[in-house]
Amino acid sequence: DSGVTQTPKHLITATGQRVTLRCSPRSGDLSVYWYQQSLDQGLQFLIQYYNGEERAKGNILERFSAQQFPDLHSELNLSSLELGDSALYFCASSVMNRAGGEKLFFGSGTQLSVL
Amino acid sequence: AQKITQTQPGMFVQEKEAVTLDCTYDTSDPSYGLFWYKQPSSGEMIFLIYQGSYDQQNATEGRYSLNFQKARKSANLVISASQLGDSAMYFCAMRGLNQAGTALIFGKGTTLSVSS
Repeated sequence: DSGVTQTPKHLITATGQRVTLRCSPRSGDLSVYWYQQSLDQGLQFLIQYYNGEERAKGNILERFSAQQFPDLHSELNLSSLELGDSALYFCASSVMNRAGGEKLFFGSGTQLSVL
Repeated sequence: AQKITQTQPGMFVQEKEAVTLDCTYDTSDPSYGLFWYKQPSSGEMIFLIYQGSYDQQNATEGRYSLNFQKARKSANLVISASQLGDSAMYFCAMRGLNQAGTALIFGKGTTLSVSS
């Protein structure tokens, strides 16, 4: 168990709908990352938050947004869903490793199916 | 720009044998970290091992070791004495350490199948 909690584990919805994915980081971790994993694109970085502030942005669509709350949990909002948004969405939180390295601990993911 | 390349889509090995999973990278950052993660069929991503670009020695974690060759920009994962439970997808990843806000980028992964 990584200590990172993601809910729900599975989500089935229809095109055009909006969903919210939730992530609770490990106790003490200030950074939260969101990744999307699909068969054709592999693991793609979406966005990072650090202590409530957006730190880095990757290949995140405008239809997607995220935020990190004062209690450090994070939510990823996906709207106007399309079939191609079906993927496994991971949240990860991080702790600094030796020499400044950063070890990411991943949640078990939310499997999103858009029908 | 940073890039991770894993050229082996699949690898097959028998129990108790050693296996090497290849990873090459490209980065302009003088300081970076290299990671390996394991993803079993259940889907979770499990951290295996970390190597800093300035580490003098190759990292080891139990049966996992990282064969780091900086000049060749390679960071191969070596699993000794393979076990059936090692069957999974393995991802190599990298992050620059000098800039705030750089994320971990992943290769496409290698599927390892261990047979008895």
